[in-house]
Amino acid sequence: DVVLTQSPFSLPVTLGQPASISCRSSQSLVYSDGNTHLNWFQQRPGQSPRRLIYTVSKRDSGVPDRFSGSGSGTDFTLMISRVEAEDVGVYYCMQHTYWPHSFGQGTKLEIK
Amino acid sequence: EVQLVESGGGLVQAGGSLRLSCAASGFTFSSYWVSWIRQTPEKGLEWVAHINQDGGEQYYVDSVKGRFTISRDNAKKSLYLQMNSLRAEDTALYYCVRDGGRDWGQGTLVAVSS
Repeated sequence: DVVLTQSPFSLPVTLGQPASISCRSSQSLVYSDGNTHLNWFQQRPGQSPRRLIYTVSKRDSGVPDRFSGSGSGTDFTLMISRVEAEDVGVYYCMQHTYWPHSFGQGTKLEIK
Repeated sequence: EVQLVESGGGLVQAGGSLRLSCAASGFTFSSYWVSWIRQTPEKGLEWVAHINQDGGEQYYVDSVKGRFTISRDNAKKSLYLQMNSLRAEDTALYYCVRDGGRDWGQGTLVAVSS
């Protein structure tokens, strides 16, 4: 099974400052169709997860452009250019290249 | 507006059964893969089962194979999860999810007592 390892586990950030979350896969996530099925999710306290980014770098509708995704193969990054108070929550990477689909363990973003 | 509304969760004894349902609206249900994903504080998010558009393909995580069955009724725009031989480790919040995590329901809580 594919294991996704996120870092850091906890991410204290000052408002207005950038933030970066890493996600490393135990194997390449490039699918036979050439796409890399790596998504990022945000889960605010008390809410269901919400998809922010799909296929590594495509932003979902309604997601602020301060969120961006990058990477390839086994190494991926979620960047927030300027953290706002509403960004508090847990962030997960997820792969659906292989079954079983799998999630990282989560990164908790908090405001300093 | 896309909506996924789960129901059917509850408290059950180990070895018992539950059937979860998910009512979908706001999109062409029959055009998408849909899934059940569960979440616990200890294990985080886990993809439980996955079914294709016409129900002909199903995938299960190893821990539920032979015990859980995912199905769908496109005419009723509904997704189901029949859970048998429940174990304490199946205790979780179960989400109905569309298309690789594009949309999620609010979840239904399953608690299995040993």
